[in-house]
Amino acid sequence: EVQLVESGGGLVQPGRSMKLSCAASGFTFSNYGMAWVRQAPTKGLEWVATISYDGSSTYYRDSVKGRFTISRDNAKSTLYLQMNSLRSEDTATYYCTRETFYFDYWGQGVMVTVSS
Amino acid sequence: DTVLTQSPALAVSPGERVSISCRASEGVNSYMHWYQQKPGQQPKLLIYKASNLASGVPARFSGSGSGTDFTLTIDPVEADDTATYFCQQSWNEDTFGAGTKLELK
Repeated sequence: EVQLVESGGGLVQPGRSMKLSCAASGFTFSNYGMAWVRQAPTKGLEWVATISYDGSSTYYRDSVKGRFTISRDNAKSTLYLQMNSLRSEDTATYYCTRETFYFDYWGQGVMVTVSS
Repeated sequence: DTVLTQSPALAVSPGERVSISCRASEGVNSYMHWYQQKPGQQPKLLIYKASNLASGVPARFSGSGSGTDFTLTIDPVEADDTATYFCQQSWNEDTFGAGTKLELK
């Protein structure tokens, strides 16, 4: 059974940093691209970043370029999202997803609240 | 960015057929996908590449369309289908529709 379990969320002040992790199991992690998708409270879904199966390629939405970094450790089957210079508009539930043109498996999500 | 437009809400009775539309601001070939999200849960993939049923999804769900106009159909609708349905395109940079909230009468 495919499982994606996020961790690392919480309350953070504007301008500070936070790192999310996603532990994957139930599939060969190193064979798949992975992504983070977020959802602000009572809002829709928004793609944040994607990383290729081997980590050689990364892609970001414009609003997080230069602030967020997606990475992975295939030996640990773990996906990461380093978030710097956080803003109030980054407040959302962040989902770890497996990506193959579409997002076929999702974690339960982790809440990130950016507030002073 | 490719903008996806969905109707905000629909209300149907159990046993009826419902069609949820998604219109793209530019052509996305067949790279349109559909998700169901129930309150407090993560999204779940229903349909990928316009018309392919995801694993474990009941055959009551189907998808159609190509280019700019796509439809998710549920027939017949059941009480458990109360949820918000999102479309997503991956032909250009990934974008999602705002979602259609399906309520049962």
